Amino acid sequence: AQKVTQAQTEISVVEKEDVTLDCVYETRDTTYYLFWYKQPPSGELVFLIRRNSFDEQNEISGRYSWNFQKSTSSFNFTITASQVVDSAVYFCALSERKLIFGQGTELSVKP
Amino acid sequence: DGGITQSPKYLFRKEGQNVTLSCEQNLNHDAMYWYRQDPGQGLRLIYYSQIVNDFQKGDIAEGYSVSREKKESFPLTVTSAQKNPTAFYLCASTPSRGLAGYTDTQYFGPGTRLTVL
Repeated sequence: AQKVTQAQTEISVVEKEDVTLDCVYETRDTTYYLFWYKQPPSGELVFLIRRNSFDEQNEISGRYSWNFQKSTSSFNFTITASQVVDSAVYFCALSERKLIFGQGTELSVKP
Repeated sequence: DGGITQSPKYLFRKEGQNVTLSCEQNLNHDAMYWYRQDPGQGLRLIYYSQIVNDFQKGDIAEGYSVSREKKESFPLTVTSAQKNPTAFYLCASTPSRGLAGYTDTQYFGPGTRLTVL
């Protein structure tokens, strides 16, 4: 069965620190997609990245980077030089035939 | 501007009442979804629709109903049969339907926070 685990419920850092949010998934399929979403205090889910199971290349977008490792079924998200505006709940999600969300990691970046 | 709108932003309901949450999209997306989010938890799928006049139950459909009379609109009714309706409700859409839709990126509306008094 599909499952997504975000073991870190809450993380607190000071501005400019780097922070990594962990995501571990379970699936029996060879073809699947992984996503990260950001949920700021306003509540709307903001799409960050989509990655298919055949593309293990790491991705960097500004201060954001993602490390996909099929061998460990992980899709971790790193924010470099964190800022207060990064404070939000971050969700990792897995899609085979439907989208399954992890429980989210609440990131608090303090000035 | 294309996007998904949900209304109202906040909704208060008395026990025993049915309420309807609105979701509209102007993205010309085929598929639409309703999720429920409880504090400290991820999203759970209530219902989804891949085409007009057709919809399927998700993981927690009991106590909810939907309709899809127009491509742009997918309203959710929370009925009195829903035992614990207080939650944050999010609507989403994807461009494709069928198997392709499952791998599309889902785009979300701003959500409706429902509180039962």
